[in-house]
Amino acid sequence: EIVMTQSPATLSVSPGERATLSCRASQSVSSNLAWYQQRPGQAPRLLIYGAFTRATGIPARFSGSGSGTDFTLTISSLQSEDFAVYYCQQYNNWPRSFGQGTKLEIK
Amino acid sequence: QVQLVESGGGVVQPGRSLRLSCAASGFTFSSYAMNWVRQAPGKGLEWVAVISNDGTNKYYADFLEGRFTISRDNFKNTLYLVINSLRAEDTAVYYCARGMNGFDIWGQGTMVTVSS
Repeated sequence: EIVMTQSPATLSVSPGERATLSCRASQSVSSNLAWYQQRPGQAPRLLIYGAFTRATGIPARFSGSGSGTDFTLTISSLQSEDFAVYYCQQYNNWPRSFGQGTKLEIK
Repeated sequence: QVQLVESGGGVVQPGRSLRLSCAASGFTFSSYAMNWVRQAPGKGLEWVAVISNDGTNKYYADFLEGRFTISRDNFKNTLYLVINSLRAEDTAVYYCARGMNGFDIWGQGTMVTVSS
């Protein structure tokens, strides 16, 4: 099983600033990597797939990069609604696997 | 609109079985692979299983030990998950989610609590 490791566990950032979240795979997943946002009490929402392609309706301030084992989600100018938990997920191998999540909180 | 609605959760005694359902609407259900993902209280997301669009292929998480069975009825536009021999550690919100490569539509989840 591919283990996905996200860092940091918690990230404190001020509104309007940039946030950078990391995800590392225990072996190469090529570009088969997705990012999700989960707000409290809500289901996850797909943000990015294919490592860098924004899902339908996702604002341009969200961007993804990386390939192989190292990936980054960048939120360029944080809005109040962006403070949430973010998960990466690989879909290169079975079983599919998620990272443990990064909580983005208001500084 | 495109929607997934889970049902079938509740409080269940250890060792019993449960069938969860996920009703799809607003899209051609038979064209999409479907997944179950669970989330224990205060914990992260855990992928459980996937079934191909026509139901012929299924994959499961390694930890399930054969207790879980995913299935679908494309005439009823419904996805199912049967969990046998329920354990306390199965307590979680169970989500259904659409897609094979990135899950683009999620239901609101159904809570399963395993307790005597």
